[in-house]
Amino acid sequence: DADVTQTPRNRITKTGKRIMLECSQTKGHDRMYWYRQDPGLGLRLIYYSFDVKDINKGEISDGYSVSRQAQAKFSLSLESAIPNQTALYFCATSDSPQQGVGFWNQPQHFGDGTRLSIL
Amino acid sequence: KQEVTQIPAALSVPEGENLVLNCSFTDSAIYNLQWFRQDPGKGLTSLLLIQSSQREQTSGRLNASLDKSSGRSTLYIAASQPGDSATYLCAVKEGGGAQKLVFGQGTRLTINP
Repeated sequence: DADVTQTPRNRITKTGKRIMLECSQTKGHDRMYWYRQDPGLGLRLIYYSFDVKDINKGEISDGYSVSRQAQAKFSLSLESAIPNQTALYFCATSDSPQQGVGFWNQPQHFGDGTRLSIL
Repeated sequence: KQEVTQIPAALSVPEGENLVLNCSFTDSAIYNLQWFRQDPGKGLTSLLLIQSSQREQTSGRLNASLDKSSGRSTLYIAASQPGDSATYLCAVKEGGGAQKLVFGQGTRLTINP
């Protein structure tokens, strides 16, 4: 089983619809992230959460919201989807600071992505 | 604003060759640099992470180097195999509150049998 699971894997929907993408992890990590990937633009950070009560906006948070329901679950919502939100969305996790490593140097672990198309 | 660039965008080489992928970044104030592999329809797999205080990291046939002062990193793949075909992305971790990863656009690598 995957350590970071995203659902759904693929979704096609219409403009104006509300959509929720879900992410769950079994790695026991405190930190979770949502990115989107667009051709030619790499990955960009949408939101991140360092624990259940700590949620922060990333580089491109407009039009998105998130919910950290539990340590293991982090959901991304598009309240009213628009075509330019068509992209590949990734959830990632990373561990908390550990002695000798520091949270700056904890690698991020990614899910397999959700391909979202908005017509 | 940090910008990460990967050149070339695509690379095709015969099996068995040694090859180098390049990554450059504009702001040397980074905490680490991470190389990922992305297979079609899949997420990102972390290959190597180099802390800002380190010069290189090795894992099997992969060796990543970091020259923070010049804003460059290379990923060296020895004795390439068809299974190495994938897109390779580098990302730098910035400091400050966001602690975000800034990604390059990736290099699509094809190893021909």
